[in-house]
Amino acid sequence: DAGVIQSPRHEVTEMGQEVTLRCKPISGHNSLFWYRQTMMRGLELLIYFNNNVPIDDSGMPEDRFSAKMPNASFSTLKIQPSEPRDSAVYFCASSKGQNTGELFFGEGSRLTVL
Amino acid sequence: KQEVTQIPAALSVPEGENLVLNCSFTDSAIYNLQWFRQDPGKGLTSLLLIQSSQREQTSGRLNASLDKSSGRSTLYIAASQPGDSATYLCAVIPGGYNKLIFGAGTRLAVHP
Repeated sequence: DAGVIQSPRHEVTEMGQEVTLRCKPISGHNSLFWYRQTMMRGLELLIYFNNNVPIDDSGMPEDRFSAKMPNASFSTLKIQPSEPRDSAVYFCASSKGQNTGELFFGEGSRLTVL
Repeated sequence: KQEVTQIPAALSVPEGENLVLNCSFTDSAIYNLQWFRQDPGKGLTSLLLIQSSQREQTSGRLNASLDKSSGRSTLYIAASQPGDSATYLCAVIPGGYNKLIFGAGTRLAVHP
């Protein structure tokens, strides 16, 4: 089975540019999560969706960040405009069921904002 | 507010040793606890999931235990191998809330 698929794997951009990260969850999973990982702060949950509906976006740092899930097989995380402090690895994860809990992670998108 | 702590932060052992990684959480009202492995530059791989009603789970050389009342979990790795070298993260889902809260991880190095 294909796991969680993220793209791009690496992105280098300049401050002020728009960044769009993409995620395809595991087929049949109805919960999707976006995490950010940095050395300083570890893994932080940004937002999660259940059945394509955003349930908790309290971790989204500020209005520059937005996430969408137009259907069960695709989600995007957008940063506009990007800033150097957004540099991190962004992970997408999915799970089956709301509280079943076992999360499966993608390989991550490493973002560098210059 | 739920907080997850992992001790030690780093561990270096010779191949063949049995070892224990510790995870503690401040609120015992959890739905489940999950152990992950992360290799450098990679995503997280789920190792073991323990539901709140369970006390342990085993997979191969790995055994994870859960003591909700004391807010602790341990990951036991038997007969460690160099291929076990990675960062091990523990995460909990607080009761009634589908949001995994992670510890900072234990960085394990197993040398030949």
